[in-house]
Amino acid sequence: QSALTQPRSVSGSPGQSVTISCTGTISDVGGYNYVSWYQHHPGKAPKLLIYDVTKRPSGVPDRFSGSKSGNTASLTISGLQAEDEADYYCCSYAGIYTYVFGTGTTVTVL
Amino acid sequence: QVQLVESGGGVVQPGRSLRLSCAASGFTFSNYGLHWVRQAPGKGLEWVALVSYDGNNKYYTDSVEGRFTVSRDNSKNTLYLQMNSLRAEDTAVYFCVKSSGWSFDYWGQGTLVTVSS
Repeated sequence: QSALTQPRSVSGSPGQSVTISCTGTISDVGGYNYVSWYQHHPGKAPKLLIYDVTKRPSGVPDRFSGSKSGNTASLTISGLQAEDEADYYCCSYAGIYTYVFGTGTTVTVL
Repeated sequence: QVQLVESGGGVVQPGRSLRLSCAASGFTFSNYGLHWVRQAPGKGLEWVALVSYDGNNKYYTDSVEGRFTVSRDNSKNTLYLQMNSLRAEDTAVYFCVKSSGWSFDYWGQGTLVTVSS
C-alpha cells in the first residue's frame, strides 16, 4: 500500500492551465477506473473534485478535468483562479475494498 | 445538508487507547459505507478504514490492522473508531468520510489525535 506519486508542487498564473500527475501501479491506478481527486484547503474539509477518473460532481466547475493513461492519472485545472490555491490529492481503489492516496500536490497561483 | 462531526480526539500516551466518534446527519446513514481517513502533521492523506453500510464488513490499512476497529451504530447515526496500542505515528487529524461509489463525497472537519508521553 505505497502512496501514489504526485509532484510536490505546481504553479501557474491566473488564467493558465496546470496539470497534476498521479502515478501508481497496475494494482491501483492502472487496474481500476476508480481514481478520484480532492481539493484541500488546510484546516477545512477536503472536497471531491473528480471521481471515476473523469466524472465531476454537480457544483464542481468544468475547469477541473481528469484523465488516465496506464498507471498514471492526471488532474487538469484550466483557467486557474486565485481560489484554486490549495493542496490536491489523488486517490485510487486498490482492491479488496482498500484505497491509497497520492502524496499530495500544492498548487500555487502566481 | 450532509454533516459529519467527529469527536473524541485528544492527547494520549503510547500504548493506550482512544475511541473516536462521528455523528452524521443529512442523509440516510444506513445506506452508505463510511471511512476514516487521517492526515499526520505536515503529511498527506492516508486511508485508514472502511465499514460497510450494515456494519458487517470492515477493511483496514495494513499499519492499523489488529489495533484499530471500525464500527457503526445505525440506530444512532454514528460511526466509531476504536484505537488500541496507539503509537507516535498514529498522531494525525482523523476525518470521518462518507462513501459515494468508489470515492468520498463528504468529509468531516476532523479531530486531532496526539500520541505522546
